[in-house]
Amino acid sequence: GAGVSQSPRYKVAKRGQDVALRCDPISGHVSLFWYQQALGQGPEFLTYFQNEAQLDKSGLPSDRFFAERPEGSVSTLKIQRTQQEDSAVYLCASTDQVSNQPQHFGDGTRLSIL
Amino acid sequence: GESVGLHLPTLSVQEGDNSIINCAYSNSASDYFIWYKQESGKGPQFIIDIRSNMDKRQGQRVTVLLNKTVKHLSLQIAATQPGDSAVYFCADIQAGTALIFGKGTTLSVSS
Repeated sequence: GAGVSQSPRYKVAKRGQDVALRCDPISGHVSLFWYQQALGQGPEFLTYFQNEAQLDKSGLPSDRFFAERPEGSVSTLKIQRTQQEDSAVYLCASTDQVSNQPQHFGDGTRLSIL
Repeated sequence: GESVGLHLPTLSVQEGDNSIINCAYSNSASDYFIWYKQESGKGPQFIIDIRSNMDKRQGQRVTVLLNKTVKHLSLQIAATQPGDSAVYFCADIQAGTALIFGKGTTLSVSS
């Protein structure tokens, strides 16, 4: 079956521009997570949705980061006024309702800020 | 802060050998642990998980051991193959549902 799909796979933006990253979770998965992975590091949690409700956004590094999941399926991570330190791979993961684990990851969006 | 970490950043083995990748965790309240494999340019791929009420769990060619006394987790890969070459991460759940990842061990398998 289809896994977690993320788009675009690569995004290059100039500093100061806004970007939007998309995640299509596995069909039927109600929980969705965003992680940020810097080069050579493990993923770090950004935010968590259960259906359309954003239950935890404690990992978002600043108010320039915003995530939404308006219909409880596709999610968008938006970064406003991008800065060079935002360059990273952004990973999306989803889980089914029953166990909430394990989390299944997409292949990520590699964001480069020039 | 508390985090999940790995003992060695790299591990090199010969094809056919058994591999052991270690991980130490600091939060005694962690009740769920998971191993992921990440190949270059791809997202983390689930390998195996274990809950704190168990000390061993086996999958296909993989075994996870959990020692809560010393807060240590290990991943054993039997008959390692070149396709096993990747970065391996352990992660745990400390509060809520977010995974806390270690820094990863790069496994290199030579044939």
